[in-house]
Amino acid sequence: GAVVSQHPSRVICKSGTSVKIECRSLDFQATTMFWYRQFPKQSLMLMATSNEGSKATYEQGVEKDKFLINHASLTLSTLTVTSAHPEDSSFYICSARGNQRDTLGYFGPGTRLTVL
Amino acid sequence: SQQGEEDPQALSIQEGENATMNCSYKTSINNLQWYRQNSGRGLVHLILIRSNEREKHSGRLRVTLDTSKKSSSLLITASRAADTASYFCATSYGNNRLAFGKGNQVVVIP
Repeated sequence: GAVVSQHPSRVICKSGTSVKIECRSLDFQATTMFWYRQFPKQSLMLMATSNEGSKATYEQGVEKDKFLINHASLTLSTLTVTSAHPEDSSFYICSARGNQRDTLGYFGPGTRLTVL
Repeated sequence: SQQGEEDPQALSIQEGENATMNCSYKTSINNLQWYRQNSGRGLVHLILIRSNEREKHSGRLRVTLDTSKKSSSLLITASRAADTASYFCATSYGNNRLAFGKGNQVVVIP
């Protein structure tokens, strides 16, 4: 099956710093990537949808200036958490899709962010 | 947005028993999907059932869909310790975005 990777798998940072998380599709070209956030023992919440070469579409309540998404190529999308605070500590998971007809999302292994 | 929502459940069963979990959603769907998540890991797609299907099997998994009740169930037969995980249903909406339910924690005791 399709493989999606994320880097880093874990990151600990100080409050006020910015953290970049990468999501890569390893064996297919991802026209669309999705970013989710998951708090402990809770479900995944969609943050934003990014299409290659265009601006991301953010879900209601997600600050686009705080969560910067770049989808510069068909195999890479990045999520930057700017000026991170402890409440941003969460599990961030990306999902990639090859084309519009592909109803399945291939998920990355997730990135655990801890903000001290 | 649509939300798949499982009845909040934490199942603890003996190996070999069957595990059943449910999911309900609010609006019309094209399909409903079930995913598994091992602790601290990403999601693994298990099965997709389309809105015109009522039941689907995949190995030890059986999924049912009742669009009149807007509900779905996932049955894992002959459970194994390796089935210990959280299970989520998800419905797709607008541009194939997924709305996930709350999840069911399943613990299979060897």
